[in-house]
Amino acid sequence: RKEVEQDPGPFNVPEGATVAFNCTYSNSASQSFFWYRQDCRKEPKLLMSVYSSGNEDGRFTAQLNRASQYISLLIRDSKLSDSATYLCVVNTGYSSASKIIFGSGTRLSIRP
Amino acid sequence: GAGVSQTPSNKVTEKGKYVELRCDPISGHTALYWYRQSLGQGPEFLIYFQGTGAADDSGLPNDRFFAVRPEGSVSTLKIQRTERGDSAVYLCASSLLGATSTDTQYFGPGTRLTVL
Repeated sequence: RKEVEQDPGPFNVPEGATVAFNCTYSNSASQSFFWYRQDCRKEPKLLMSVYSSGNEDGRFTAQLNRASQYISLLIRDSKLSDSATYLCVVNTGYSSASKIIFGSGTRLSIRP
Repeated sequence: GAGVSQTPSNKVTEKGKYVELRCDPISGHTALYWYRQSLGQGPEFLIYFQGTGAADDSGLPNDRFFAVRPEGSVSTLKIQRTERGDSAVYLCASSLLGATSTDTQYFGPGTRLTVL
């Protein structure tokens, strides 16, 4: 079992729709969680950190469920520009870079 | 301000050759990371520098891979006797403090390495 797993998609949804996807992690001691966005042939960019209480940034909402060991990303009122790959990132250690694990990404495609 | 830069953007080499990939982190960032990303996969950790020293090199796949950061800024990833399986995008990232639980990593555009 992979340490961090994501549904690869693609998720193909119409503009304006709400879309959500999850990411599961295997290490219950994981410390911190992030969502990164990666456009085709570009570098990953931080979208948002995921806090225990859940957090929202505009149309994006991230949640953490420690009991079931998953994080989620919800995108409301999706835009064409939201089309990208969304990478889940889990840090399973306090200060060791090797414990920063990226998922394989979920591809999202927004159609007009 | 300037972000993370990487050179070259593309590198094509022949099997068995030696290559060097360069990363210029954001000025003032103490931590620097190298990742490798294959098609359809997320970045895979290779090595992490805190200042000049390699704080964690557990992700380097074998002794053909080596990286340095002699002055705590620019870093070079060196690959000896390249193999076709080394073909990937090599990403560099930097962060202000280090691999703590909340430090944000900023990625460079990557170097696409193709080994023929």
